[in-house]
Amino acid sequence: AQSVSQHNHHVILSEAASLELGCNYSYGGTVNLFWYVQYPGQHLQLLLKYFSGDPLVKGIKGFEAEFIKSKFSFNLRKPSVQWSDTAEYFCAVNSNRDDKIIFGKGTRLHILP
Amino acid sequence: SQTIHQWPATLVQPVGSPLSLECTVEGTSNPNLYWYRQAAGRGLQLLFYSVGIGQISSEVPQNLSASRPQDRQFILSSKKLLLSDSGFYLCACERQGSLRNEQFFGPGTRLTVL
Repeated sequence: AQSVSQHNHHVILSEAASLELGCNYSYGGTVNLFWYVQYPGQHLQLLLKYFSGDPLVKGIKGFEAEFIKSKFSFNLRKPSVQWSDTAEYFCAVNSNRDDKIIFGKGTRLHILP
Repeated sequence: SQTIHQWPATLVQPVGSPLSLECTVEGTSNPNLYWYRQAAGRGLQLLFYSVGIGQISSEVPQNLSASRPQDRQFILSSKKLLLSDSGFYLCACERQGSLRNEQFFGPGTRLTVL
């Protein structure tokens, strides 16, 4: 069965620090990968997605993620975080043959001003 | 683009009472629809999904049920609520036939069972 692991449940950083949130998935076939973000008081929304092609994916607000197939990973990165990046981040995975998306447990990111 | 409405926004119910949460979608037809429960530290748990009217797949055995009486309406129900049913319930949709599987989420319903 598909599963998604997010290693960090709660991350606290200062502004301008670099960010990397880990995500590993368990699935043997072709996968689609996502990062969703939920800012305080807002809807869950898509940050970036990978379906095929360049394994380095650029998303909104300066975020990027790299798909490393051999490691079953899709880590989220940002070189310099801002206070407004405070949010909860969810990694998700599904396959082209599946109607379901499996979400990780989420990582709460708190940026200190 | 699609818009998802959820009603009510918040709900406080006693244990043993019935539940009905409604989700309606605008701006797309024949979408896949999903119910999730979001709990702190547990992420998003998929409860039900539907690929068409009257078609419901259950992911987690529990005292909740779902129905899809119309193409763009998805209802989450319970005959008797438990304390453990408290949580934040999210409805999501995905365009049918899309290979991109991007989901769009509603604003959620905060359910407190006392």
